[in-house]
Amino acid sequence: AQKITQTQPGMFVQEKEAVTLDCTYDTSDPSYGLFWYKQPSSGEMIFLIYQGSYDQQNATEGRYSLNFQKARKSANLVISASQLGDSAMYFCAMKTGRRALTFGSGTRLQVQP
Amino acid sequence: SAVISQKPSRDICQRGTSLTIQCQVDSQVTMMFWYRQQPGQSLTLIATANQGSEATYESGFVIDKFPISRPNLTFSTLTVSNMSPEDSSIYLCSVEWGRNEQYFGPGTRLTVT
Repeated sequence: AQKITQTQPGMFVQEKEAVTLDCTYDTSDPSYGLFWYKQPSSGEMIFLIYQGSYDQQNATEGRYSLNFQKARKSANLVISASQLGDSAMYFCAMKTGRRALTFGSGTRLQVQP
Repeated sequence: SAVISQKPSRDICQRGTSLTIQCQVDSQVTMMFWYRQQPGQSLTLIATANQGSEATYESGFVIDKFPISRPNLTFSTLTVSNMSPEDSSIYLCSVEWGRNEQYFGPGTRLTVT
């Protein structure tokens, strides 16, 4: 069975600083994908970044980067130069053979001016 | 990327009634998924819907309560039947887009009184 763990219920960061959101996972499937989503108060799920289990390099998308440590089974999201608009819930998720996503419990990020 | 719309965006329903939620995608997709997000919680998969076959339900979700239709490659419906206040949630459809992307609709926010 797949499991995603996010141990930070809430995080605060100052505007313009970087922040790391933690995510660890567990699966016996050698092929998997890791996703991060942002959910603002409106409720929509915004896809941020993807990392495949066989990808050699860490994924980056603009201000978002994924610190993938396969041996530790961690896939932390790094947001650089935080903005007020980054305040939201962030979910880590995993896809394996069954193709649907398994989600972690989420981290609420608040960016302070 | 895929553009997904859902109807209705929100509704308030009375206990014992049913609501059908529609999900429309702007491109043909094989895999569609329905998720539920209870207040303050993460997303939980209800079922996977492939065109031309019966939906596959996750443990804890049954067809009599959450019947799903998938008449073609761009459309699906989820019905929440015989509603109770515990069904108050955000319901989201999502689609698999290639190997490393999954997109979500904007969600349907349901309140059962």
